[in-house]
Order: sequence, then structure tokens, then C-alpha cells
Amino acid sequence: QSVLTQPPSVSAAPGQKVTISCSGSSSNIGTNYLSWYQHLPGTAPKLLIYDSNNRPSGIPDRFSGSKSGTSATLDITGLQTGDEADYYCGTWDTSLSVWVFGGGTKLTVL
Amino acid sequence: QVHLVESGGGVVQPGGSLRLSCAASRFTFSSYAMHWVRQAPGKGLEWVAITWYDGKTEYYADSVKGRFTVSRDNSKNTLFLQMNSLRPEDTALYYCARDQGAVAVALDYWGQGALVNVSS
Repeated sequence: QSVLTQPPSVSAAPGQKVTISCSGSSSNIGTNYLSWYQHLPGTAPKLLIYDSNNRPSGIPDRFSGSKSGTSATLDITGLQTGDEADYYCGTWDTSLSVWVFGGGTKLTVL
Repeated sequence: QVHLVESGGGVVQPGGSLRLSCAASRFTFSSYAMHWVRQAPGKGLEWVAITWYDGKTEYYADSVKGRFTVSRDNSKNTLFLQMNSLRPEDTALYYCARDQGAVAVALDYWGQGALVNVSS
């Protein structure tokens, strides 16, 4: 049972938009920086979003994030088949003094 | 471009020990916190441990606390994970990752991983 809750899977057609949610608590998302990661099979995870809504250089603006209170969302627009991957939210938990990841969401582009 | 290379993985019997290393280059290693993250077969990402930029503070996941020790040698730009009393459930691909900051902010660069297989 992850401290951060994500839906196990989402799907959408190419070109469409998908939203992945991440729910936590006041000791993690409510207090600390929230980030999102893309993990394609056989590759190293990649940072997509940091500090809730900032993209590292090289990440297309099709990926965007937001945070409200103890929840966050990752939006992916203009879906491409290459976006099929597992997506994780992550943050520091101040009460537990550990880094926490969500359970991961598998994105399928139909 | 930041470069992280893990080494030291392998097959070990339950109860055994293994030491992973992560060689870092192309950034000022001593300015950043560093993490270990693992992924067991068919499972999601599981955070393992963090050491702050100066190596004076570490935190661990409950699943490894008391068995694993994270350390760093800032003079050699190297991160370590000493794993003792290994269990079959420790079998995973272990990644080292750089934090964006001196403490826990976001994991911005990752290595390719080192495979650990705990099996008799």
C-alpha cells in the first residue's frame, strides 16, 4: 500500500489527453515538492515534472502538472504511442522521513 | 550531461552481503543529495535510501532499515549501498539517482541500474 495513491492504469487514443492523479496527505504532497517520473521498460526512469508544475529542459510542453492541497495531477496532451510507459509521482514525507513514490500508473495509448 | 554508473550487482545467497557502487561524473557531486531506488520484477519503483550532500544524514525505507547502509565518498564522486542480511525480496534492479538539491527535492538524473538477485 503506497503512501501516494495513483490509478493503476489509464488509457486514451493517440492525439487525445489523459490525466493521472496522485493523492497524498499534509505530510507529503501538502508540504513538499511533488515530482513526476516516466519509466519505459528497460530504461532508466526520467524526471518529467518537478516542483509540481515545472518541466526540466527537453521535456515537451505536452506534459504538464498541477497541485492543489494534498493532491496532484499530471496531464499529457497530444498522446503518442511513444508515451506508453509507467508514470510515478514522488515526494518527501516529512512525518515518515522517507521519500515516497506512488504505486505507478500504466498508460496505454490505444 | 550528468553521468551515473552503477556496479557491484550479482547473485547472492539469502543472508549474504553485497556492495553496490555508483560512479558519478560531470557535476559537482558534493553539492547534491543522492538516492537509491529499486524495482523488483513486476513491481513499481521503491525508494530505498538517501544520503544528503555532505554524507552526514541518511534515511532509509523501513524494508531495508538496519540491513542496508548508504554512504558516499565525495572525494571520489562515488555513492555506495552496503546490503547485508539479504532476502529474496531484495531481488531487484537498483538505481542510483541524483537529487536536484542538497536534500530531497526531485530525482533528476538516474543511472541504468545494477541487478541484484538473492537466490539459493
